[in-house]
Amino acid sequence: GIQVEQSPPDLILQEGANSTLRCNFSDSVNNLQWFHQNPWGQLINLFYIPSGTKQNGRLSATTVATERYSLLYISSSQTTDSGVYFCAAEGGGADGLTFGKGTHLIIQP
Amino acid sequence: GAVVSQHPSWVICKSGTSVKIECRSLDFQATTMFWYRQFPKQSLMLMATSNEGSKATYEQGVEKDKFLINHASLTLSTLTVTSAHPEDSSFYICSASVRSGNQPQHFGDGTRLSIL
Repeated sequence: GIQVEQSPPDLILQEGANSTLRCNFSDSVNNLQWFHQNPWGQLINLFYIPSGTKQNGRLSATTVATERYSLLYISSSQTTDSGVYFCAAEGGGADGLTFGKGTHLIIQP
Repeated sequence: GAVVSQHPSWVICKSGTSVKIECRSLDFQATTMFWYRQFPKQSLMLMATSNEGSKATYEQGVEKDKFLINHASLTLSTLTVTSAHPEDSSFYICSASVRSGNQPQHFGDGTRLSIL
């Protein structure tokens, strides 16, 4: 099946800084999603982005499908951005999402 | 739109008990639903794919007799953990999509299962 790798595993930043999270995947995808998991376990869907670029407020994401990677950008970080960010991908067979191991982001005041 | 409701959100029960978790798509029909499991400080792992009106497809290493999945309608899938033991304690979360492939998956809020 498809492999998904995220980097960095941990990231500590000061409030106001910008950050870039990376997701590499091993095969072509029909689905790629970025999530933020809050302390209660809820998965907050940030982007559905199998290709192209999208923006939502301070967050934006870009997926370059031909080079098999996706980037999540967080600008002007706030303490509420802290948490675990997951990238998940699904190949052509609609076999369910394969999650990366996540990036644990800590924004310090 | 695309709301998925999962119930219960939290269960504590004794070893040997069977526990049923429900996953409902509230405002769309889901031909396919997925069940994932997450152990503490780990990522989510796909357990099984649930297709309406047919048998579920289980991932390698997931016991189908232990984790019974029923997808009786286009809006409801259930996961039953049979004769649960402490090692089954985990966070279980479901997702649904409108159609297979090329659509985002929408997730429920998860069920935290603790077996004493």
